[in-house]
Amino acid sequence: DAGITQSPRHKVTETGTPVTLRCHQTENHRYMYWYRQDPGHGLRLIHYSYGVKDTDKGEVSDGYSVSRSKTEDFLLTLESATSSQTSVYFCAINRDRVDEQYFGPGTRLTVT
Amino acid sequence: DAKTTQPPSMDCAEGRAANLPCNHSTISGNEYVYWYRQIHSQGPQYIIHGLKNNETNEMASLIITEDRKSSTLILPHATLRDTAVYYCIVRATYNNNDMRFGAGTRLTVKP
Repeated sequence: DAGITQSPRHKVTETGTPVTLRCHQTENHRYMYWYRQDPGHGLRLIHYSYGVKDTDKGEVSDGYSVSRSKTEDFLLTLESATSSQTSVYFCAINRDRVDEQYFGPGTRLTVT
Repeated sequence: DAKTTQPPSMDCAEGRAANLPCNHSTISGNEYVYWYRQIHSQGPQYIIHGLKNNETNEMASLIITEDRKSSTLILPHATLRDTAVYYCIVRATYNNNDMRFGAGTRLTVKP
């Protein structure tokens, strides 16, 4: 599992509330990613990070922000959750020397 | 990154080899072929990747045609636990942005 954990694993929240999802890795890899997975769309990249305080947008970044204040943690924030953000969110790391991405177990978020 | 085409679904008998095809006719010279799978509700799992030579590891074999326009993932002795959606992805290794997952192939291993 490459030492990746996500928290919480499940969350139900109301429209308009802020939500923060956490991804934690234990192997000090430089690159970390947040994806969302929806039926009919596969996995789509939201944001990624290439180092502490270094982040960039992905394919579906609107409505999301991220922060990485230390190597091991990559946070995804929904400033004001909407029903369209109901999804399963996966964090991933890129194992630098072998260039393989490893995924966390996912967070199922429901926005009511 | 080049696009890939995979059949939407396949069946395989338990204990037999599962051969999953992937077409990537627009692949560039610096793009690798990656295979991942996703078992229901879990995060995608890395299987194997290669550039132009055939590759084998403890999970599977990857056969890439000489012109690199297609590849086949082989699970030599499929088990029920191999039932999953299998994704073929092409990506240049210098591009650390993301893996572009398509719809994949839903493999069902039957007893």
